[in-house]
Amino acid sequence: AQKVTQAQTEISVVEKEDVTLDCVYETRDTTYYLFWYKQPPSGELVFLIRRNSFDEQNEISGRYSWNFQKSTSSFNFTITASQVVDSAVYFCALSEAKVQGAQKLVFGQGTRLTINP
Amino acid sequence: EAGVTQSPTHLIKTRGQQATLRCSPISGHTSVYWYQQALGLGLQFLLWYDEGEERNRGNFPPRFSGRQFPNYSSELNVNALELEDSALYLCASSFAGKRSETQYFGPGTRLLVL
Repeated sequence: AQKVTQAQTEISVVEKEDVTLDCVYETRDTTYYLFWYKQPPSGELVFLIRRNSFDEQNEISGRYSWNFQKSTSSFNFTITASQVVDSAVYFCALSEAKVQGAQKLVFGQGTRLTINP
Repeated sequence: EAGVTQSPTHLIKTRGQQATLRCSPISGHTSVYWYQQALGLGLQFLLWYDEGEERNRGNFPPRFSGRQFPNYSSELNVNALELEDSALYLCASSFAGKRSETQYFGPGTRLLVL
């Protein structure tokens, strides 16, 4: 069965520090998609990135970077030089590609990130 | 381009009543998904509609139901409300219901059952 684990429930850092959010997933399929979403206090989930299982290249977008490692089933998210506006709950999610009728996202429990000024 | 919209933003009901939540997908998207985010339970998949039909259902009782209209908007109905139904209900949409697609979320409806 699909499962996503975000072991860090809460992280608190001081502004400008780098911070890494961990995500470990379980799936029996060879084709799958991984996502990161940000949930600010307003509640809306904001899409950050999608990665398919065949693309293990790391990605960088501004201060954000993602490290995908199939060997350890991990898809970690790093924020460099964190800012107060990065404070939110971050969710990692998994979608399998070949399971018939199973179109859905399976989410981790989320990591609450607090950036202190 | 407008994102996913949901109404109402907040809803207060009493136990035993029915609640109706509405969602309009991004223009051009045919698939709509519903998720429940209850305190302490994380985000749980509820329902998936595509082209007017229910395609997949999460582990929720039958009193959670919905439909998708010809314009691809969707409605989630919760009958015989229970206190534990209090949660943030999030709607998402994707282009054509393919598993590779990104789901884009709306702002949610906060349901409080008293």
